This record gives sequence, structure tokens and C-alpha cells, in this order.
Amino acid sequence: EAQVTQNPRYLITVTGKKLTVTCSQNMNHEYMSWYRQDPGLGLRQIYYSMNVEVTDKGDVPEGYKVSRKEKRNFPLILESPSPNQTSLYFCASGEFRDRGRKTDTQYFGPGTRLTVL
Amino acid sequence: DQQVKQNSPSLSVQEGRISILNCDYTNSMFDYFLWYKKYPAEGPTFLISISSIKDKNEDGRFTVFLNKSAKHLSLHIVPSQPGDSAVYFCAAGYGGYQKVTFGTGTKLQVIP
Repeated sequence: EAQVTQNPRYLITVTGKKLTVTCSQNMNHEYMSWYRQDPGLGLRQIYYSMNVEVTDKGDVPEGYKVSRKEKRNFPLILESPSPNQTSLYFCASGEFRDRGRKTDTQYFGPGTRLTVL
Repeated sequence: DQQVKQNSPSLSVQEGRISILNCDYTNSMFDYFLWYKKYPAEGPTFLISISSIKDKNEDGRFTVFLNKSAKHLSLHIVPSQPGDSAVYFCAAGYGGYQKVTFGTGTKLQVIP
């Protein structure tokens, strides 16, 4: 089954304790991305990756790190979490298509609800 | 700066009637637009998309209209069904996937 998986699904942690949220996709997609969803703000892009070893900042990258050492995995790292990073996080993946003939879409994971105390 | 705006946080529609969800954008570089649907405790799922070279795209009960001059797109659901009750996100991008901007979402409730 084609899917994007995230772990953990729920996490409660304390300020300053480093954590990693894993993301894995089995569709051989080049593109992967991380979003956070907050009330009234919708989905905001944190980081994205066009392929292995190629990553770039989205709209809200502060306080986050990512790495893309393998095509299937794209972990999100919070080196020193703070309460304002309490949010619902989504990982997504997609493949490139010809613009104008096929429109780009992304496949989302089930989400990780993070609480930082 | 919210480049993609969904000004209606919620919408209620009777089953069988038309649901119209609206989305406005400010960045004229956007060249593709998408709608995603999200149920509670799940990730968003792709619903329908449209390229800027078109003004309409249809897929079953779902139709997306794009008005480039007004920087406005809308999603029509006809007829609406209770299973359509979800949060709908509008999204826009350019240059491939590089940066995709999502709206704040509209919660649709279809009343049986």
C-alpha cells in the first residue's frame, strides 16, 4: 500500500529536550516536505526536499532542522523544542510531473501531534 | 503575509444542495492550484487541481473554477453529501513543488 508514515503519532515533551519526528514514504517520490497546522493559520511549510541531500526552507523554518540522506526518509529535528512549537505536524511526499499536463499533488502522512511543556 | 486566503472559516449546507468554497490569492506567480480535504485525525488528501492555463476542471461532483484576473478560485460540490463534511484547504504553488502555500481552511458541514 502506497503511504507516508510518521512516528510518533503523539508526543509530549519538555522545553529543550531534543526530539526527532520520523517520516517515511514507499512511493519512491523525489519530493518531501514538512508542514505544521495551527488553528487559524492553516498549513504552513517548514522545510522541503527536492531529492536526496537537497533541502530548503519553507515559510516557518526557525527552530527546526531536516536531513535527507535517503530518498524514502525525511526526519524533522527539533534541537531545543519550545512551547510555541506545540502543533500538529504533517509530512508529505510527491513526484514531479510535467506542468500544464499533470498538476502536482502531495500525499500526506497521518500527522504527529506534539506538545512541548 | 497570507498569500492564500480562505475568508470563510466554516460553511453549512443541506444535503443535496451545492457547496461553494472560495479562495483568494495575491501572488500572481502562482501557476497551479489545488484543493485538499481533511478529516479529523487524518492527513489532508488531494481532491482536485487546476493549472493556470485552464479556467475550469471537473471531476465527478467536484468542479474547480479559476478566475485569474480576480485572483480567485472556487470549489463547487454538487450534490453535497454528509460524507463531504470535512475541512477543505486551498493551496497554490509555482515552479513545481518548491514552495506550496496553503490557505487557512474552511470547515464544511453537510446537514442530512
